[in-house]
Amino acid sequence: ETGVTQTPRHLVMGMTNKKSLKCEQHLGHNAMYWYKQSAKKPLELMFVYNFKEQTENNSVPSRFSPECPNSSHLFLHLHTLQPEDSALYLCASSQGIQPADTQYFGPGTRLTVL
Amino acid sequence: GENVEQHPSTLSVQEGDSAVIKCTYSDSASNYFPWYKQELGKGPQLIIDIRSNVGEKKDQRIAVTLNKTAKHFSLHITETQPEDSAVYFCAAYRRRGSQGNLIFGKGTKLSVKP
Repeated sequence: ETGVTQTPRHLVMGMTNKKSLKCEQHLGHNAMYWYKQSAKKPLELMFVYNFKEQTENNSVPSRFSPECPNSSHLFLHLHTLQPEDSALYLCASSQGIQPADTQYFGPGTRLTVL
Repeated sequence: GENVEQHPSTLSVQEGDSAVIKCTYSDSASNYFPWYKQELGKGPQLIIDIRSNVGEKKDQRIAVTLNKTAKHFSLHITETQPEDSAVYFCAAYRRRGSQGNLIFGKGTKLSVKP
């Protein structure tokens, strides 16, 4: 276990649904991340939060809406997704946002959009 | 921006043999290069990293080399074991002002045959 948990582990949703992904870290870290992992593509950074403040939005469509209520929890709210949004969504955390701060990943949520 | 190329995409070796995975990066300002291992159903986990002021680093059966001039770095696994089978990702830390983020390669699926 890495100390980063994600729920649910699997999610199937229609294009008109609204759902949320949850991430929780038990490591006392200050930074949290959302990544998208698609087959045969590099991990794509979506959002970065440092001390609850968003520091990076990597040109992510507005149908993905992140929320970071505190340094231990991170949500990704989903609405009107497209089939091409089907992927593994990974959450990670680190002590800070410097190179020396190792990122610890959760197991991911496998999302399928029908 | 930073671009990380990783080769090969798949690698099959016999147990006990060595495995080498190579990555190149484009941004000469990148200064930190981690390697992650992702097992089935899990998120990526850091296995070794190297900073730009070091040419080589070793941790038991795993070693990483960095050639800053050529802008490439490699992962070497010796005496491979079946449990080394996984997908391996290289990454380069791209600095942007006072912050930065990791740019990942597409991954190498390593299979170690008993």
